Amino acid sequence: GQQVMQIPQYQHVQEGEDFTTYCNSSTTLSNIQWYKQRPGGHPVFLIQLVKSGEVKKQKRLTFQFGEAKKNSSLHITATQTTDVGTYFCAGRDSNYQLIWGAGTKLIIKP
Amino acid sequence: NAGVTQTPKFQVLKTGQSMTLQCAQDMNHEYMSWYRQDPGMGLRLIHYSVGAGITDQGEVPNGYNVSRSTTEDFPLRLLSAAPSQTSVYFCASTLNFSPGQGSAGELFFGEGSRLTVL
Repeated sequence: GQQVMQIPQYQHVQEGEDFTTYCNSSTTLSNIQWYKQRPGGHPVFLIQLVKSGEVKKQKRLTFQFGEAKKNSSLHITATQTTDVGTYFCAGRDSNYQLIWGAGTKLIIKP
Repeated sequence: NAGVTQTPKFQVLKTGQSMTLQCAQDMNHEYMSWYRQDPGMGLRLIHYSVGAGITDQGEVPNGYNVSRSTTEDFPLRLLSAAPSQTSVYFCASTLNFSPGQGSAGELFFGEGSRLTVL
């Protein structure tokens, strides 16, 4: 079946360092969404990308959707403790169903 | 607005017991869904509904039952609980599910129900 692979599974960073997570789909996606889940919390929608090659920014967060609409990335500049959590991508397939990545856990080193 | 409300937040069951996880939303969303979340496996879709009276299976439907008699409510029933169903369950909804109808399709999640089956 269709899959969205998300890497890495974990990323440990010092506060102030950058963080990036990547998602790759086996098939072309209609669009891709990104969610953040704080520890012990529920997923919260961050953004949706629709167009090929689209780049969107939210303050220190930069989201990209690949030209072939098969991959996407989330980059956080100068991480802060409030960024801690797990980031999920979820791509919409041709049937408009969401296919979820396994998530990347951002951990700030003490 | 309350958004998506799930109850109970925590539940412990014995193998073979049945129970219902409740989900209600007050946003007049057409689409509602149930996910389970296990460590390292992300979110897996159990069942979903695109409107009252309509339900369909997701990726992992076995052992679960759903109904959608009203727009607001989407209960998830565990028929005979098994230890493999120990998980965190999330209900999620969105306004509508079809492209071109003015909705981004972003999901609004409830706070989750943590279920342990002994």
